[in-house]
Amino acid sequence: SAVISQKPSRDICQRGTSLTIQCQVDSQVTMMFWYRQQPGQSLTLIATANQGSEATYESGFVIDKFPISRPNLTFSTLTVSNMSPEDSSIYLCSVLGWDYGYTFGSGTRLTVV
Amino acid sequence: AQSVTQPDIHITVSEGASLELRCNYSYGATPYLFWYVQSPGQGLQLLLKYFSGDTLVQGIKGFEAEFKRSQSSFNLRKPSVHWSDAAEYFCAVGAGNAGNMLTFGGGTRLMVKP
Repeated sequence: SAVISQKPSRDICQRGTSLTIQCQVDSQVTMMFWYRQQPGQSLTLIATANQGSEATYESGFVIDKFPISRPNLTFSTLTVSNMSPEDSSIYLCSVLGWDYGYTFGSGTRLTVV
Repeated sequence: AQSVTQPDIHITVSEGASLELRCNYSYGATPYLFWYVQSPGQGLQLLLKYFSGDTLVQGIKGFEAEFKRSQSSFNLRKPSVHWSDAAEYFCAVGAGNAGNMLTFGGGTRLMVKP
């Protein structure tokens, strides 16, 4: 299965600022996904990012708040913009592998103060 | 729309005892089903997955799961739990066509007593 490197692993940010999270995959993948895991909660899909097209956002998530880039088949970024304490979560990227298994990055633990 | 229910939020078992974590899904067609484990401060690790074929699926770390279409269930089992199995377990369902995102259940936190 693919190996994902996600950075940063954690960060503490001031409200009103933005943080960009990077997701690097060791192989080319078509489908990449960004999830949010709020404290003590399950995972919720933010958006699906395909190379060469705009990301598709789920209900409740908008591009202005969570802009996503997907410049090639091995890399994507998620930006959390104009942060508030409610954005404190773990953010995870995921890819769909050739064996239809979904691999996850180790996550970015974000705390907004 | 697909959905997943994990009825048990917390489960505590003694080390060496057997384990069953419940998962019920809702999906109109043949689902892709997954179990993931998340240890504290860690990402998600795939335990096993089911797409088709044999309804009893073997996974890593001694886990297995059985797909029961009539009950819309995909319960995770382990015959003898180890203290290192203490973690959060998530069941997830994907649409039958590859490329769709996963929908996760709420998770079950497993605690293991010595």
